[in-house]
Amino acid sequence: NAGVTQTPKFRVLKTGQSMTLLCAQDMNHEYMYWYRQDPGMGLRLIHYSVGEGTTAKGEVPDGYNVSRLKKQNFLLGLESAAPSQTSVYFCASSLGQNSYNEQFFGPGTRLTVL
Amino acid sequence: AQSVTQLDSQVPVFEEAPVELRCNYSSSVSVYLFWYVQYPNQGLQLLLKYLSGSTLVESINGFEAEFNKSQTSFHLRKPSVHISDTAEYFCAVSGSARQLTFGSGTQLTVLP
Repeated sequence: NAGVTQTPKFRVLKTGQSMTLLCAQDMNHEYMYWYRQDPGMGLRLIHYSVGEGTTAKGEVPDGYNVSRLKKQNFLLGLESAAPSQTSVYFCASSLGQNSYNEQFFGPGTRLTVL
Repeated sequence: AQSVTQLDSQVPVFEEAPVELRCNYSSSVSVYLFWYVQYPNQGLQLLLKYLSGSTLVESINGFEAEFNKSQTSFHLRKPSVHISDTAEYFCAVSGSARQLTFGSGTQLTVLP
């Protein structure tokens, strides 16, 4: 089992460019999440999905879009990147039936927007 | 709404000394509490969790945390730390929304 994988690991964008981050999990989890991690702020939830074809906004959704076309994949898109989106992005997944289900995290994507 | 406060952003400690990382939470509903650990350049891993029952929970590598409902705290302790425990530690709370709310993290640095 690979667990949760993220592609790419690093990326540098110019302001206004677009990109998509891919998250994949092989644990047959229902729930998937996208977080951003910034120094001194912990992890903040961007968007999440409770199942294939469904998505919902988290704490900091502005400037991001997501899609969950397949159960195992969760895509995070930046349509027009801004320097404020420079961050480390983590994807996570969980079984999802209960709020105490452990979330499993990917290794992260470090994004720099110039 | 729920929130988590980690009172110390940096905790330096010498090897083999005890350590306590503090975490306080607020929530209007019953909660589940978690500690995650993040080693350099890696994702987060679950260290331990409190769901119900005994208020003292332990991890396989010697950490323990005690749920204190009256003080709304879930402090993490280890009686003797090792260099390999150097990492960032995140306290998190989960309520009825099935989402995790994280604290801002505590960087534990174990000095030789």
